[in-house]
Amino acid sequence: NAGVMQNPRHLVRRRGQEARLRCSPMKGHSHVYWYRQLPEEGLKFMVYLQKENIIDESGMPKERFSAEFPKEGPSILRIQQVVRGDSAAYFCASSPPRIGTTNTGELFFGEGSRLTVL
Amino acid sequence: DQQVKQNSPSLSVQEGRISILNCDYTNSMFDYFLWYKKYPAEGPTFLISISSIKDKNEDGRFTVFLNKSAKHLSLHIVPSQPGDSAVYFCAATPTPGDYKLSFGAGTTVTVRA
Repeated sequence: NAGVMQNPRHLVRRRGQEARLRCSPMKGHSHVYWYRQLPEEGLKFMVYLQKENIIDESGMPKERFSAEFPKEGPSILRIQQVVRGDSAAYFCASSPPRIGTTNTGELFFGEGSRLTVL
Repeated sequence: DQQVKQNSPSLSVQEGRISILNCDYTNSMFDYFLWYKKYPAEGPTFLISISSIKDKNEDGRFTVFLNKSAKHLSLHIVPSQPGDSAVYFCAATPTPGDYKLSFGAGTTVTVRA
């Protein structure tokens, strides 16, 4: 399966613990995006990364959340000291390099990681 | 601030009939619109898109209509099939290729046999 791979699929944490979500992009894709879907809402952009670079983190909460995409290995979304409001589905997406407006804007999404904070 | 709204959380339709999903947006800067389809336990997959220079785009059984003056778009599925049962998300962005999509909350379509 050459699709976007996310793990874990389900993660349960107690308040104050840390959550780490991992994402491996599709083969040949070098751009990774994280989106969050809160209950009853649409997906909301969080962060856009390329290898070793954060390109746009305008959708990330200023505290407790961080993301990285190292030279080797998957992209990681890290949430420190989780609170109940962090309970959501976190989707990772990837795309090939963006070349002007020839790109249709299609993002390829993974299956998501559902975080539950007790 | 929900800039893209799908006011019908669910839709039930008979197999073979037309499904019409509606989407409204508030940001006049949006110029490119996409529909994504999501099955349970899977990620959203791209279905069809339309640029604001068009008012209609068709791909097989799926047609998207855009009314820019009303800030409204709709997705028509004709004929509906049981495999179309899924959640459909409307998304919008200021430019094609922009990664920062604004999504609606989704409409769950159930196609009855």
